[in-house]
Amino acid sequence: QVQLVQSGAEVKKPGASVKVSCKASGYSFISHDIHWVRQATGQGLESMGWINPTTGNTGYAQKFQGRITMTTITSTSSAYMEVRSLKSEDTAVYYCARRHDFGDYIDLWGQGTQVTVSP
Amino acid sequence: SYILTQSPSVSVAPGETARITCGGDYIGGKGVHWFQQRPGQAPVLVIYYDRDRPSGIPERFSGSSSGNTATLTISSVEAGDEADYYCQVWDSTYDHVVFGGGTKVTVL
Repeated sequence: QVQLVQSGAEVKKPGASVKVSCKASGYSFISHDIHWVRQATGQGLESMGWINPTTGNTGYAQKFQGRITMTTITSTSSAYMEVRSLKSEDTAVYYCARRHDFGDYIDLWGQGTQVTVSP
Repeated sequence: SYILTQSPSVSVAPGETARITCGGDYIGGKGVHWFQQRPGQAPVLVIYYDRDRPSGIPERFSGSSSGNTATLTISSVEAGDEADYYCQVWDSTYDHVVFGGGTKVTVL
């Protein structure tokens, strides 16, 4: 079954860091970029960036540069995103998503990980 | 970066047609993709490259794009179509995915 399975919910204090994982199965992990998208409660989708699992190349949205790091481990078909210096405004559901192998659209989403930042 | 504009909400009676628009500069020259997101669920791709449907998506969902506007059309709307819908393009200037703000479709 082609799927992305993410790690469970996290509760963090302001200033802390969080690392969300995303495990792919059912397809060739190295053939698709992984994107990270977040969604605050009642808000729209916000793209955070992407990573190419083969090269390790990344593209971070300007808003998050310097505060996030995306990595992959190809041997386990896993992707990770770390967000540092958390603020209350980072409270959101974080999704990993797969970019189509030769298209510029997302064709598969993880189930989402709730990250709550609270004192 | 590239901006996509969607109207916040659309209301439609069952059996009628819902049209959801996505505005952007020369969007007709880009590939536009559409996602459906039901409450509490992850988004699902319903249209890619303006008008193509992934397998499993009903023919009631169709898309078009020209000039500065792309449109997602849902024919014979059903209660299960009630959801948020997002358009997406690739911003080649910044090598980045861009989403519209989303449109909430309410089935009356």
